[in-house]
Amino acid sequence: EDKVVQSPLSLVVHEGDTVTLNCSYEVTNFRSLLWYKQEKKAPTFLFMLTSSGIEKKSGRLSSILDKKELSSILNITATQTGDSAIYLCAFHGSSNTGKLIFGQGTTLQVKP
Amino acid sequence: DVKVTQSSRYLVKRTGEKVFLECVQDMDHENMFWYRQDPGLGLRLIYFSYDVKMKEKGDIPEGYSVSREKKERFSLILESASTNQTSMYLCASENRGGNIQYFGAGTRLSVL
Repeated sequence: EDKVVQSPLSLVVHEGDTVTLNCSYEVTNFRSLLWYKQEKKAPTFLFMLTSSGIEKKSGRLSSILDKKELSSILNITATQTGDSAIYLCAFHGSSNTGKLIFGQGTTLQVKP
Repeated sequence: DVKVTQSSRYLVKRTGEKVFLECVQDMDHENMFWYRQDPGLGLRLIYFSYDVKMKEKGDIPEGYSVSREKKERFSLILESASTNQTSMYLCASENRGGNIQYFGAGTRLSVL
């Protein structure tokens, strides 16, 4: 059975800290892995990673896929209170129906 | 910008009521999805549709049905609401063959 596991499930840090969120997967057919950020509203897309292994960056956020370890990390440097959210990881199988399998999510709280 | 609109942000219903959750997208996407989100469980797929009048069961379809009469609209129906269906419901859409799902703001349903 395809599975995505995120760790830690929750994290509390102070502004300015650097955090690393983890996502590991067991899948039969891998197409891509997606990261979303969810505040008190719709999950918003952050990154998509493919088997090319290319690191993706956007400002203080970056993410990379480790094909060998079947995992991905999401790094946030110099955290701000606005980074407080649930971070969701999901993988996309190779079928064309678009089905995503989500992890449980990591709840990040950044304190001033 | 892709817009996915869910008809209600908060909804309170009584056990046994029939409940309709509506979702509309404005990007002419073929694929649409309904998830429920519960603490510690992440997002779980209820139903999805890859075309008008087409539907596929997701991982937890029991107690739910869906309707897709028009391309832009995907409705989730709880035939007889039960307390264990109290949850956050998220709708998403995606272009066929695309990789990124775009989410609505969610409907928080309480069944009393």
